[in-house]
Amino acid sequence: DAGVIQSPRHEVTEMGQEVTLRCKPISGHNSLFWYRQTMMRGLELLIYFNNNVPIDDSGMPEDRFSAKMPNASFSTLKIQPSEPRDSAVYFCASRTGYDEQYFGPGTRLTVT
Amino acid sequence: SQQGEEDPQALSIQEGENATMNCSYKTSINNLQWYRQNSGRGLVHLILIRSNEREKHSGRLRVTLDTSKKSSSLLITASRAADTASYFCATDSGNAGKSTFGDGTTLTVKP
Repeated sequence: DAGVIQSPRHEVTEMGQEVTLRCKPISGHNSLFWYRQTMMRGLELLIYFNNNVPIDDSGMPEDRFSAKMPNASFSTLKIQPSEPRDSAVYFCASRTGYDEQYFGPGTRLTVT
Repeated sequence: SQQGEEDPQALSIQEGENATMNCSYKTSINNLQWYRQNSGRGLVHLILIRSNEREKHSGRLRVTLDTSKKSSSLLITASRAADTASYFCATDSGNAGKSTFGDGTTLTVKP
């Protein structure tokens, strides 16, 4: 398996633009997680899905953030409109049950 | 605050020395995991210890778990410069696969 795949790896956009981050989890994993990491706030869980259903989105900072998982092999995290304070590295991770989480390489988002 | 809290926040040692990092948590857990993150990369799973286990080894890594004290430690023996990274503990406590991560310990191993 290729591991968790994220795209794009880097995204630079202007304030106000829509940003869509993509994730392909490891085949067979039934949980998918979106995290955000910054120097100031560390690693934050934004939302996680179990069997494609959003279970806990309490970490989503604002209504500008939304996430979907239309099927077991694909998820998106969308920010609309983006703001400079959204600049961070966004990680997607997947797992089965309580086994280890496998993290993707991350998307480094810069909003100017 | 995060369920898991690592201590110390930063640790600097010489190559060959042992490094010990600690993690404390607040509620009952199913298991506890340790991850490593190299600068600019994603987290990589190191070791998982279940709530009914007290110690686990993997190569130069040794993890202990004390559920009565709600704490865990990660020991890296004979450290190498390549061990320089941030180390995170994560606890699982029954929320459909959700882990709660601590803030991490930044380890620097000087050659």
